[in-house]
Amino acid sequence: ETGVTQTPRHLVMGMTNKKSLKCEQHLGHNAMYWYKQSAKKPLELMFVYNFKEQTENNSVPSRFSPECPNSSHLFLHLHTLQPEDSALYLCASSQGVSAYTDTQYFGPGTRLTVL
Amino acid sequence: TQLLEQSPQFLSIQEGENLTVYCNSSSVFSSLQWYRQEPGEGPVLLVTVVTGGEVKKLKRLTFQFGDARKDSSLHITAAQTGDTGLYLCAGGRGSQGNLIFGKGTKLSVKP
Repeated sequence: ETGVTQTPRHLVMGMTNKKSLKCEQHLGHNAMYWYKQSAKKPLELMFVYNFKEQTENNSVPSRFSPECPNSSHLFLHLHTLQPEDSALYLCASSQGVSAYTDTQYFGPGTRLTVL
Repeated sequence: TQLLEQSPQFLSIQEGENLTVYCNSSSVFSSLQWYRQEPGEGPVLLVTVVTGGEVKKLKRLTFQFGDARKDSSLHITAAQTGDTGLYLCAGGRGSQGNLIFGKGTKLSVKP
């Protein structure tokens, strides 16, 4: 595998379910990100991890819980979600966190539907 | 409040035509990035511009950053069907990686 991979690619869950999204980067990067992409809304940054430490939580509801066990893996744990949480969840990684020099490489995303 | 406005929202053209899409803001950004996203994929970075007035060319794509670093444009010459996709602009502030994205321009190039 190369680049940034995400699993599952599609997920349908009920509001009372608990599920997790997984992201893995094979680029040797130090920073990882979760983004939410909804229809008719801009791509929204959710969380940033740099060297496994969370450096940004963009006022995300607690029903989304990130976990970064090492620089190569990032999880997003989901519980008691709402239908409005249905979206494409994108993971990205970069060498560092500079907007000038550090290109963010995105995975293909997980299409989440909450019933 | 939408910090980055992209226009047009949708654009459908014939192969061979030229087009320009815009990214505008009332805020100043230290850098501006353009991405292309194809269906079922994540966005892919095309270019980063950091200097007001900067122009960068990538084959048939020309990117310009406004003098005041509040706006940017992407011009495609002789569009091809492979240019079809969602074009996103993203503004960066300072040296941190927190990017602010626009909603995107969905481009369809028909043969």
